[in-house]
Amino acid sequence: ETGVTQSPTHLIKTRGQQVTLRCSSQSGHNTVSWYQQALGQGPQFIFQYYREEENGRGNFPPRFSGLQFPNYSSELNVNALELDDSALYLCASSPGQLFNNEQFFGPGTRLTVL
Amino acid sequence: AQTVTQSQPEMSVQEAETVTLSCTYDTSESNYYLFWYKQPPSRQMILVIRQEAYKQQNATENRFSVNFQKAAKSFSLKISDSQLGDTAMYFCAFMKGGSQGNLIFGKGTKLSVKP
Repeated sequence: ETGVTQSPTHLIKTRGQQVTLRCSSQSGHNTVSWYQQALGQGPQFIFQYYREEENGRGNFPPRFSGLQFPNYSSELNVNALELDDSALYLCASSPGQLFNNEQFFGPGTRLTVL
Repeated sequence: AQTVTQSQPEMSVQEAETVTLSCTYDTSESNYYLFWYKQPPSRQMILVIRQEAYKQQNATENRFSVNFQKAAKSFSLKISDSQLGDTAMYFCAFMKGGSQGNLIFGKGTKLSVKP
């Protein structure tokens, strides 16, 4: 059984650019959640997708957007990058059929904005 | 809004000893779940243990156990027989019941296990 994978592992962008991060959910999981983890902090919820629809959103501006595809993989897009967007971005998948399932995390993408 | 507080930024313990990590939370919900996650230097967040709020019995997973005090809104993690591989950041997290939703994390405790 393949776990949650994310790509790329790390990347560097400059302020004002746009970035797309990718996540492949664990086999059989139809729910994907994205989190931002700033250095020295706990992860903060960005949004969640369930069966290709946004299913909840944290306190992040609209320049953070996402997609979920029919195979349940997902993308996180961030437009107009700011220095404060530098963080580890974590993706987590869960089965979704029942509530309060365990979320399985990927290794994350380290984004640096210069 | 729910909040999770971890008051110990760093802790250390000798190999084979026992250590307890503290967590308090604030919520007006009656149905919720609490979690402890481990994040080693490899960055992959791994679930250590989970507690349903409606269960009075404290959860246990091998060397890991919790002390869940619902009235005090306290959820501490005890690691027995600490091993070098336990060195990691530990995050306490809250999830509202009846949702598929988001985890609310504390700021974490950095645990170092010394030989």
